[in-house]
Amino acid sequence: AQKVTQAQTEISVVEKEDVTLDCVYETRDTTYYLFWYKQPPSGELVFLIRRNSFDEQNEISGRYSWNFQKSTSSFNFTITASQVVDSAVYFCALSEYDMRFGAGTRLTVKP
Amino acid sequence: DTGVSQNPRHKITKRGQNVTFRCDPISEHNRLYWYRQTLGQGPEFLTYFQNEAQLEKSRLLSDRFSAERPKGSFSTLEIQRTEQGDSAMYLCASSFSDSSYNEQFFGPGTRLTVL
Repeated sequence: AQKVTQAQTEISVVEKEDVTLDCVYETRDTTYYLFWYKQPPSGELVFLIRRNSFDEQNEISGRYSWNFQKSTSSFNFTITASQVVDSAVYFCALSEYDMRFGAGTRLTVKP
Repeated sequence: DTGVSQNPRHKITKRGQNVTFRCDPISEHNRLYWYRQTLGQGPEFLTYFQNEAQLEKSRLLSDRFSAERPKGSFSTLEIQRTEQGDSAMYLCASSFSDSSYNEQFFGPGTRLTVL
């Protein structure tokens, strides 16, 4: 079975703090993709990153970074120096042909 | 606008009525997906099309739900005899891929309220 678990339901931080959103997944497939999406209050899902199961290199994009560890089936997302505009619900997802989403983590960044 | 579009954005209906939603994918995308999202949850896969062929349906998709993509372009999702439990955001996504693994671009969704 394919499953994505985001154990953190809500996180609240003060602006400029670093925050890490956890994602743990389960799959029997050896080839798969992992994703992170952002859903701001407007509701539209915004793609952030895709990671191939064969590529365990960590990735950094501006204030965003991702740590993929196959050994622990985790794909964690860190926002450095958080900003109020980062406030949103963040979803981790696992893709075969149908994307399986976690329940999401609501991040609130206070000024 | 070259993104995925969905219409209507909001729909309020009475229990027992039929509703139909439309999704227009990004024009060169051959795959189209429907998801349902309820409050506080992540999107749940309903079904997907490759061109005009419906290749997979979730068990969530009861026989009251039907989706079509007649010419491999836009798609419609119809819910017959709506129930209050159908109230949710219905999301459409599209992608272009010859393989199973691809990036999906999401539309803004149609929010359905069943009274």
